[in-house]
Amino acid sequence: VQLVESGGGLVQPGGSLRLSCAASGFTFSTYEMNWVRQVPGKGLEWVSYISSGGSPIFYADAVKGRFTISRDNAKNTLYLQMNSLRAEDTAVYYCVRADYSESSGYYWGHWGQGSLVTVSS
Amino acid sequence: DVQMTQSPSSLSASVGDRVTITCRASQRIYTYLNWYQQKPGKAPKLLIYAASSLQTGVPSRFSGSGSGADFTLTISSLQSEDFATYYCQQTYITPQITFGGGTKVEIK
Repeated sequence: VQLVESGGGLVQPGGSLRLSCAASGFTFSTYEMNWVRQVPGKGLEWVSYISSGGSPIFYADAVKGRFTISRDNAKNTLYLQMNSLRAEDTAVYYCVRADYSESSGYYWGHWGQGSLVTVSS
Repeated sequence: DVQMTQSPSSLSASVGDRVTITCRASQRIYTYLNWYQQKPGKAPKLLIYAASSLQTGVPSRFSGSGSGADFTLTISSLQSEDFATYYCQQTYITPQITFGGGTKVEIK
């Protein structure tokens, strides 16, 4: 299993950025996926969820209306379109595969390496 | 959202010590509780899922216990490679999955 994020970088406040996460080593189209972020030196925050087929989709309140999660199962790729970026969106963004069983619930056994997004003028 | 409170926020320990980290949820979450280890510059790594199930490949010195709202991660004999930050995560209320604030385990 491999998850490789790309697309991070420096962007000005109010700007946009699109993160990609290329998945390999598993049947991407059968797994739910998430984006999680971490402000450098701080804790972990769930950002967005997408089901295996692309719907339903959910967002954390902090990004609702500004971020859009999507996936292309034919390309084995997960996306996060980030608009109207703010300084407080500065973080490392991880894509995460959601594993699930009825007895155990969700657990996140596979993470990407992370992509740093810096929002600054 | 379910609030997850970890304690302590940091601790100093020596190689060979027994280390215990606690995590308390703001409501009952049954056993929908996972533990992760994170080293600087790296992604979190799953250690324990469903409160007490050891993830494949994780050393048996790691164990988890608890149910309801109170949970514990124990490292039976701390090794040098265990110095890291540990996070608990609740997955009872989804998709608004939440994490504890982390416990940094440092070398005494």
